[in-house]
Amino acid sequence: NAGVTQTPKFRILKIGQSMTLQCTQDMNHNYMYWYRQDPGMGLKLIYYSVGAGITDKGEVPNGYNVSRSTTEDFPLRLELAAPSQTSVYFCASSGTGGTEAFFGQGTRLTVV
Amino acid sequence: QKEVEQDPGPLSVPEGAIVSLNCTYSNSAFQYFMWYRQYSRKGPELLMYTYSSGNKEDGRFTAQVDKSSKYISLFIRDSQPSDSATYLCAPSSGGTSYGKLTFGQGTILTVHP
Repeated sequence: NAGVTQTPKFRILKIGQSMTLQCTQDMNHNYMYWYRQDPGMGLKLIYYSVGAGITDKGEVPNGYNVSRSTTEDFPLRLELAAPSQTSVYFCASSGTGGTEAFFGQGTRLTVV
Repeated sequence: QKEVEQDPGPLSVPEGAIVSLNCTYSNSAFQYFMWYRQYSRKGPELLMYTYSSGNKEDGRFTAQVDKSSKYISLFIRDSQPSDSATYLCAPSSGGTSYGKLTFGQGTILTVHP
């Protein structure tokens, strides 16, 4: 069972560069989420999606963009990387009527 | 005031100890109270959840919610070294928002053999 798969696992970016964090799930879940986790902090919601074609902002959306063209995929785009975006990024999904969110293994991003 | 406050620890206990982890919250709309466990360099995994006020027991773990005081607790009995992890409380308003969680800061727990 693959569950939620994130790529890459690690990445170093230079200030001003762009990149896309990939997330795919094979559980046919409608809901998908992107969180970031800074050291010693809990996770904060960046963006979420309730289905293909529908996305909405979370608590900390500035500097990020998302799209949801299929049920399975929910990529997160960083357009102009800044040091403040150094963090661990987690993608998650949950099913309709389910109480559990399933998380990927995370992408560790460093912006220098 | 943060929506969810959690004692960050770290907490270090000997094997076999009873561990108490606590959170407070401010949003009255929260109905589901999740506890996630996160091992080092891994994603969080749901440990257990409680709906509304009350207790729920699952093996060595007991979750308690007191909505009147907006207080959430997780108790671990007979703690084991394998329980060493970060524990995150994460309330949700439920419905379509089960995965739209507001996390506490997390408590780092180390259980020594």
